[in-house]
Amino acid sequence: GAVVSQHPSWVICKSGTSVKIECRSLDFQATTMFWYRQFPKQSLMLMATSNEGSKATYEQGVEKDKFLINHASLTLSTLTVTSAHPEDSSFYICSVSSGHRSTDTQYFGPGTRLTVL
Amino acid sequence: SQQGEEDPQALSIQEGENATMNCSYKTSINNLQWYRQNSGRGLVHLILIRSNEREKHSGRLRVTLDTSKKSSSLLITASRAADTASYFCATYRGSTLGRLYFGRGTQLTVWP
Repeated sequence: GAVVSQHPSWVICKSGTSVKIECRSLDFQATTMFWYRQFPKQSLMLMATSNEGSKATYEQGVEKDKFLINHASLTLSTLTVTSAHPEDSSFYICSVSSGHRSTDTQYFGPGTRLTVL
Repeated sequence: SQQGEEDPQALSIQEGENATMNCSYKTSINNLQWYRQNSGRGLVHLILIRSNEREKHSGRLRVTLDTSKKSSSLLITASRAADTASYFCATYRGSTLGRLYFGRGTQLTVWP
């Protein structure tokens, strides 16, 4: 299966600062990546679909200006949490779709734990 | 938005026992997938079952799908302490390439 990395694995920041999280597809080119957030003991909530070379598609209720997504290459997508607040503290996970067929699975990164003080 | 529900929300069993988790969903699907998540980690794909399939096996895993009832079950046979994790079902509707809808998950604890 595909190998997906995320960096950093955890980050603590002060309220009001911006944090960038990277998601890399290490062994194949991914035209589509997905960003999720997960609160403790809850399911994954899709935030946005990141498309290489075009604007991300955000889910309803997700602020585009707060969660900036850049998918500048086929192996890298970044999520920037701007002006972070304590309520943004969460586990952020990216995933990569393995292909273009409906039976293709997603490969997930290990996640990034964000704590905003 | 989430697609469905898993039950039970939490399951605690002894090693060697079988664990059964259920998943229900609300709309038509193209396929249904089960994922596992260890605490504080990413998700690992376990098995995919297509809408025209009724049962699938992979090692100690057995998945069933009943599209008339919009439900699926995941059976882990002869469970081990290492199976302790959260298990999520996710549905693919086919409308948006790759877009998955996740259930709430079942927290499985296997005691040695």
